[in-house]
Amino acid sequence: GAVVSQHPSRVICKSGTSVKIECRSLDFQATTMFWYRQFPKQSLMLMATSNEGSKATYEQGVEKDKFLINHASLTLSTLTVTSAHPEDSSFYICSARRGSNQPQHFGDGTRLSIL
Amino acid sequence: AQSVTQLGSHVSVSEGALVLLRCNYSSSVPPYLFWYVQYPNQGLQLLLKYTSAATLVKGINGFEAEFKKSETSFHLTKPSAHMSDAAEYFCAAAKGQGAQKLVFGQGTRLTINP
Repeated sequence: GAVVSQHPSRVICKSGTSVKIECRSLDFQATTMFWYRQFPKQSLMLMATSNEGSKATYEQGVEKDKFLINHASLTLSTLTVTSAHPEDSSFYICSARRGSNQPQHFGDGTRLSIL
Repeated sequence: AQSVTQLGSHVSVSEGALVLLRCNYSSSVPPYLFWYVQYPNQGLQLLLKYTSAATLVKGINGFEAEFKKSETSFHLTKPSAHMSDAAEYFCAAAKGQGAQKLVFGQGTRLTINP
């Protein structure tokens, strides 16, 4: 159990485009979802914490107007990179957990390439 | 602030040899500690976790880690490396078993030589 699906797995698009990434918990209800960003050969950096039905909490230095997060249901959170530019190219990974004192389960990530 | 340090960005061992990946944490209160593995273009898979129940933790795929408070360490080991162990390994820390916020180390790339 505890499967997290992320879609799409890879996106290539032109500069200025907005891109939406979905994160779904397939077999459990996720009260909290996390969004991470990973640059090549580097570690994961937490971007924001998303709780169902409330506004996401962004980490310092992450632009909330640039990275829009919606957690409208207990099984789906979306990350929209607005007006993407080449510097936004990265590997984005989501995770989800059932509730407090539960471990995080990770999706397989989305590789975003902005031309 | 809590931090996690992984010594060695790249470790290379021969197939069948001992694997040792180092992790040290910096915290006034021992956090909950985790080891994750990441294969290319994939998310993270939990190998094992320390939650204060036992200092020696056994995980999947033959990996284990020992929590040493005196050394603020949580090194990952496997007695005999297999080719399929080649991957990126991340140590992470959090306050609270539920990993409210995970802080990751820099990662260690493990290469297995035939």
